[in-house]
Amino acid sequence: QKEVEQDPGPLSVPEGAIVSLNCTYSNSAFQYFMWYRQYSRKGPELLMYTYSSGNKEDGRFTAQVDKSSKYISLFIRDSQPSDSATYLCAMSARSGGYQKVTFGTGTKLQVIP
Amino acid sequence: NAGVTQTPKFQVLKTGQSMTLQCAQDMNHNSMYWYRQDPGMGLRLIYYSASEGTTDKGEVPNGYNVSRLNKREFSLRLESAAPSQTSVYFCASSPRGGRSYEQYFGPGTRLTVT
Repeated sequence: QKEVEQDPGPLSVPEGAIVSLNCTYSNSAFQYFMWYRQYSRKGPELLMYTYSSGNKEDGRFTAQVDKSSKYISLFIRDSQPSDSATYLCAMSARSGGYQKVTFGTGTKLQVIP
Repeated sequence: NAGVTQTPKFQVLKTGQSMTLQCAQDMNHNSMYWYRQDPGMGLRLIYYSASEGTTDKGEVPNGYNVSRLNKREFSLRLESAAPSQTSVYFCASSPRGGRSYEQYFGPGTRLTVT
């Protein structure tokens, strides 16, 4: 079993829809929870991060972490065609003096105009 | 600010050939990483360098070597390329220690080994 599980999609939604992207994990030691966005043929870019449980909002994006269920979500409100990308969840746990990061396989999102 | 740069962008190798992938960052980050990304496998860590002068193996180090040339540069070498090393390779950097979850990626190198 992988430490981080993510549905690969693809997920196709109409412009303006609310998008929900999710990951589950098995390692209780994870402390930081991140979402990266990767456009086609580009490197991933950090979208948001959350420390421990709770919600974090940044514009149209909301990240949620439920450590009791080992479940994290990214919500995108009023989705735009420019949001079409692959979204990677990532989680980190302390390992020696640094945070070791484990990535999900990514969910491909397409927003149809 | 260029961020993280990688060269080359594309490369085709024959089995058994060697090559070095170059990476540089201008964000004064302490830590640098090499990942490979394959369909259905996600990003897998090959090697990392927590700080200048140190390197450590990641999840999939076999067939690769690295050099942390200075604080800015971190190179990945394939000594004898194999078809299983066909992949997209990403270099990343991060601030030190407790902020190493905050990783910044380069544009990638697409490598095909025939």
